[in-house]
Amino acid sequence: DTGVSQDPRHKITKRGQNVTFRCDPISEHNRLYWYRQTLGQGPEFLTYFQNEAQLEKSRLLSDRFSAERPKGSFSTLEIQRTEQGDSAMYLCASSLANEWDNEQFFGPGTRLTVL
Amino acid sequence: AQRVTQPEKLLSVFKGAPVELKCNYSYSGSPELFWYVQYSRQRLQLLLRHISRESIKGFTADLNKGETSFHLKKPFAQEEDSAMYYCALSRQGGSEKLVFGKGTKLTVNP
Repeated sequence: DTGVSQDPRHKITKRGQNVTFRCDPISEHNRLYWYRQTLGQGPEFLTYFQNEAQLEKSRLLSDRFSAERPKGSFSTLEIQRTEQGDSAMYLCASSLANEWDNEQFFGPGTRLTVL
Repeated sequence: AQRVTQPEKLLSVFKGAPVELKCNYSYSGSPELFWYVQYSRQRLQLLLRHISRESIKGFTADLNKGETSFHLKKPFAQEEDSAMYYCALSRQGGSEKLVFGKGTKLTVNP
């Protein structure tokens, strides 16, 4: 296990197109998080899952965004009808949900450019 | 409201000099505070957290609840410390969302 992986690493799309990103967490981790990072900003929380249940969604997550974790393992983040403002780095992280070890491990990110 | 403020966007020091990266927070409750680091072309990784009270790579950070601060310090900076540093908080005891500051880019000059 080489850590959290994300695919693709880069995505260029035209405005109005749909895009889907994938995240594979560390295998024994039951929590999975999505963050978005724009230039000059820190990562901003989007949503997170415990196993297959989506427990929280940020108000940043418009109706065009949807995330799934169908079998409690990998997760997908879909953006419909992309806008130029969606251009950002999308980060995935995973963790164990226990009181003595809750470190979030981050993936390399998917950089989205919307033309 | 939960907020993390890192007042310095850029910080430049010479090798061997002390360095302090500032972090202030606002949170209603008991937060857990973290420092994350991102070296060039690498992913974001945890540097230290206030609960563990560890010193990692010579860095320390003390949680000051009165001043709501969690400044990161190192007595003698090294060139390999050059990186982006992010202060973050989450609810204490929970594996929940992290709230990040905007980050400070540290450059250690030879």
